[in-house]
Amino acid sequence: GEDVEQSLFLSVREGDSSVINCTYTDSSSTYLYWYKQEPGAGLQLLTYIFSNMDMKQDQRLTVLLNKKDKHLSLRIADTQTGDSAIYFCAEKAWGNQFYFGTGTSLTVIP
Amino acid sequence: DTEVTQTPKHLVMGMTNKKSLKCEQHMGHRAMYWYKQKAKKPPELMFVYSYEKLSINESVPSRFSPECPNSSLLNLHLHALQPEDSALYLCASSLDRETYNEQFFGPGTRLTVL
Repeated sequence: GEDVEQSLFLSVREGDSSVINCTYTDSSSTYLYWYKQEPGAGLQLLTYIFSNMDMKQDQRLTVLLNKKDKHLSLRIADTQTGDSAIYFCAEKAWGNQFYFGTGTSLTVIP
Repeated sequence: DTEVTQTPKHLVMGMTNKKSLKCEQHMGHRAMYWYKQKAKKPPELMFVYSYEKLSINESVPSRFSPECPNSSLLNLHLHALQPEDSALYLCASSLDRETYNEQFFGPGTRLTVL
């Protein structure tokens, strides 16, 4: 499968911004996604971006895509304790396969 | 109805048992997926059904047997599992496999094999 890498842990203070990063290797990616997983639950789609876009904003969420560097980021503004979860990026690559990143565990400190 | 449901929520089974996991969606999606997820790891794709036909089997051992009785239901039959098969089993669905459509995930079945 493709390599989709994320840093394992991120800790921020409540009210600050969080930035979660993701790098991928497949240049044929068509769509890239961010999913949130709370403990013991399934994955919840947060947002997605088409590969010909640089940026997408959706309320507190901003997705940035640098296709040249194959780098995707998710910025969460005004991070709240309810944002504590594991965040997975995912890419839809050749053959319409989904490849998930390694996951970033976000801890929000009150 | 924009939900994928899975039953049971938790399952404990011995290595000689036979059990089944069930997944259901009523969104008219024609692609359904089984994933296995170990703690703190990303989901790993096991099977993909497209229009009720198995289109991808990611080299999964035969002790896992998927079944898609109709377009709304997806089962995973389990037999002679090993303790290392203990994991969260996630079902997902999407409109189809051919477009951008995101996958909607169920809450998962937490399986423990003793």
